[in-house]
Amino acid sequence: QQQVKQSPQSLIVQKGGISIINCAYENTAFDYFPWYQQFPGKGPALLIAIRPDVSEKKEGRFTISFNKSAKQFSLHIMDSQPGDSATYFCAASGPNFGNEKLTFGTGTRLTIIP
Amino acid sequence: KAGVTQTPRYLIKTRGQQVTLSCSPISGHRSVSWYQQTPGQGLQFLFEYFSETQRNKGNFPGRFSGRQFSNSRSEMNVSTLELGDSALYLCASSLDVGPSYEQYFGPGTRLTVT
Repeated sequence: QQQVKQSPQSLIVQKGGISIINCAYENTAFDYFPWYQQFPGKGPALLIAIRPDVSEKKEGRFTISFNKSAKQFSLHIMDSQPGDSATYFCAASGPNFGNEKLTFGTGTRLTIIP
Repeated sequence: KAGVTQTPRYLIKTRGQQVTLSCSPISGHRSVSWYQQTPGQGLQFLFEYFSETQRNKGNFPGRFSGRQFSNSRSEMNVSTLELGDSALYLCASSLDVGPSYEQYFGPGTRLTVT
């Protein structure tokens, strides 16, 4: 019940295209859903986060879509650029949620080709 | 403002040895969390410290321990190292406890156990 399932494992998108990464969770106690971006040799960096009281949040080219009833959320990267090539992790957390701080998905390696 | 710093960045140890990793949080941040990142298991929460007290602990054996000092700096220790402890150890700091406080990750310490 503490898992966050992320797909796909890897993704190749052409420059200018839309990159879409999906995550699903089981535990309805989760109420905070961040996305992290990680470049090789670096720690994860917070990209964007959403709470279940909204269905969508947009920051620049990055959008989170949230479907509470389906317990799914996704990251959309519009006009994908080569500099977006990185590994993306979804995560989830919630108040008084056991002993976990953040539960992470398994990651998606995104490659943007020219 | 300086980010989260971790020392050392790389470490090679032998099975059976012990190791201590250090983390300096962002100035003003009082919560420090530790994560282990491996290709097989992904990002897994180790423990969280706030005001020199361990608040949460993940599902790791007792060989993994940590502490936090009065200046919020934190150390984690792994005793009796095993080959499977080879991983990137990430430290993250946040202003306060609770999922609404964003976590900022350091670059990690790459530990190799031979």
